Amino acid sequence: QLQQSGPRLVKPSQTLSLTCAISGDSVSSNSAAWDWIRQSPSRGLEWLGRTYYRSRWYNDYAVSVKSRMTITPDTSKNQFSLHLNSVTPEDTAIYYCARETLGDAQYFDYWGQGTLVTVSS
Amino acid sequence: QTVVTQEPSFSVSPGGTVTLTCGLSSGSVSTSYYPSWYQQTPGQTPRTLIYSTNIRSSGVPDRFSGSIVGNKAALTITGAQADDESDYYCVLYMGGGISVFGGGTKLTVL
Repeated sequence: QLQQSGPRLVKPSQTLSLTCAISGDSVSSNSAAWDWIRQSPSRGLEWLGRTYYRSRWYNDYAVSVKSRMTITPDTSKNQFSLHLNSVTPEDTAIYYCARETLGDAQYFDYWGQGTLVTVSS
Repeated sequence: QTVVTQEPSFSVSPGGTVTLTCGLSSGSVSTSYYPSWYQQTPGQTPRTLIYSTNIRSSGVPDRFSGSIVGNKAALTITGAQADDESDYYCVLYMGGGISVFGGGTKLTVL
């Protein structure tokens, strides 16, 4: 299960931060990655990035947000977080965290409940 | 930048069969892209239907099936029901850790 938390209103130019708490699995799992995905009417569903552990931590990011995004794991709390800086109204969207199963398959099998984040002054 | 293409909308009669497709703006979709399909109704979180081209996720009815048809991934619904009316999204894994969603297909059952 994935439980999201974080502010729903962010001012332009500030940083959007969301956290996804994991239960029933580990953020350090060797067979999964932990992803952020967003959805807006103008952009549809958009994969943003992921973090995963394979002897060390790795991150991958979509080209569209790579310069502004960081995904950080927290092993002590078994959670991971999204930080998107310099936001604009175009970053207004429903943000989802998701578990991505890796290996012989590659797909999103568990999703957080979604958080509508509005970027507005 | 490669774009994943889906039909914007499709319509099917109750009990009918419909095939939704997932293609690339450049190139062909193969099993190496690990095509997966998700169903989303308004206000809900996406639900996983199909992964690795043709494997049904747990609890998904067998009227949903996945395949490669020509140069695209395909989702076929056989014996469509009213509650299949949803948005359907495909995802392709591009390698290098990058996944890309298609624009989605709005399916109407009428």
